[in-house]
Amino acid sequence: EVQLVQSGAEVKKPGESLKISCKGSGYSFTSYWIGWVRQMPGKGLEWMGIIYPGDSDTRYSPSFQGQVTISADKSISTAYLQWSSLKASDTAMYYCARLDSYANPYFDYWGQGTLVTVSS
Amino acid sequence: DIVMTQSPDSLAVSLGERATINCKSSQSLLSSSNNKNYLAWYQQKLGQPPKLLFYWASSRESGVPARFSSSGSETDFTLTITYLQAEDVAVYFCQQYYTTPRTFGQGTKVEIK
Repeated sequence: EVQLVQSGAEVKKPGESLKISCKGSGYSFTSYWIGWVRQMPGKGLEWMGIIYPGDSDTRYSPSFQGQVTISADKSISTAYLQWSSLKASDTAMYYCARLDSYANPYFDYWGQGTLVTVSS
Repeated sequence: DIVMTQSPDSLAVSLGERATINCKSSQSLLSSSNNKNYLAWYQQKLGQPPKLLFYWASSRESGVPARFSSSGSETDFTLTITYLQAEDVAVYFCQQYYTTPRTFGQGTKVEIK
């Protein structure tokens, strides 16, 4: 069974750093792209970027380029999303999701989400 | 970026009736190389992550009930729920994956009347 299990909710202060994780299981982690999607409170879905764990090839949405870093550790089947300096506007639910393939780039499996709250 | 616009923003439908959601893209999602429309539909129930319903505009994901159907081409797409059930209450999103960034529609909330 394909599963993406994300790390738990976080409460941070503005200016702090953060790294959240997404662990894949039940499939070959290095053979599928993993993406990150932001959902701000009561809002829609925003595609942030994707990574291919096999070689760490990464693509970002222009809206998120330079604001976050996507990475992966294939040895432990885990993808990451990190911030160096959080802002209150980063408060959101963040989902990781697997792409069916690069040729079929829709998300077929999703993690349960990680709620990030940034408040002073 | 391709802008995806859904209509309506919300709708209330009686149990057993039909719900129709529209999704319009700012440019064609039809590829001339493979004649496929690069569009997916997702369902998000309250407190849950999104779930894939359709891809390539009309290919139903395994396990999705037959009362859900999807159609359309180029810039105009429709998700239809016939015989609405209580468990279909959710927000539905369309997404284009023709170009990056892979943008989503703003979502359509389906409720029971």
